[in-house]
Amino acid sequence: DSGVTQTPKHLITATGQRVTLRCSPRSGDLSVYWYQQSLDQGLQFLIQYYNGEERAKGNILERFSAQQFPDLHSELNLSSLELGDSALYFCASSVAGIYGYTFGSGTRLTVV
Amino acid sequence: DAKTTQPPSMDCAEGRAANLPCNHSTISGNEYVYWYRQIHSQGPQYIIHGLKNNETNEMASLIITEDRKSSTLILPHATLRDTAVYYCIVRASGGSYIPTFGRGTSLIVHP
Repeated sequence: DSGVTQTPKHLITATGQRVTLRCSPRSGDLSVYWYQQSLDQGLQFLIQYYNGEERAKGNILERFSAQQFPDLHSELNLSSLELGDSALYFCASSVAGIYGYTFGSGTRLTVV
Repeated sequence: DAKTTQPPSMDCAEGRAANLPCNHSTISGNEYVYWYRQIHSQGPQYIIHGLKNNETNEMASLIITEDRKSSTLILPHATLRDTAVYYCIVRASGGSYIPTFGRGTSLIVHP
């Protein structure tokens, strides 16, 4: 157990639908990062939140959005889903400084 | 942040040392070298990091050249469970940093 909790572990949904992925960071970590990993692809950075505020955006589609709540958990919302959105979605958390990043075990999204 | 270059794949016999190289020729003085690995479909796992000196922990050793332009991750006695993609990342301390994972090195440990 890395300390970063992602739910659900698996999600199967139809095209056009909307889903919400949840991430609880490790205790004390203020930053949350979301990544997408499609089949045989690298980890693509989507978005970062720090203490409730958006800090950085990567290649995140307009159909995707995220937020971080006062208790520091974060949600990634994916809407108007397409087959190509099928992927593993990882959340990572960190504190500032030289410390590393702790990843959750991911949510496997399958769009059918 | 400095970019890194890693070989796409390597293989190693079980029980032998696995030496994974990483080039980071544009590294700045305040940037650390981090290594992560990702076992198939799992979240990346932190292995080790260092600034100038060589580092060792229960998982691996990190050797950084004196000019800091390259480093080597050493798994002293590789096991089948070490089969994974290994990522080398450089980052500065503090500030806003987005960990960017390249393709990494796919290490296959064979019996």
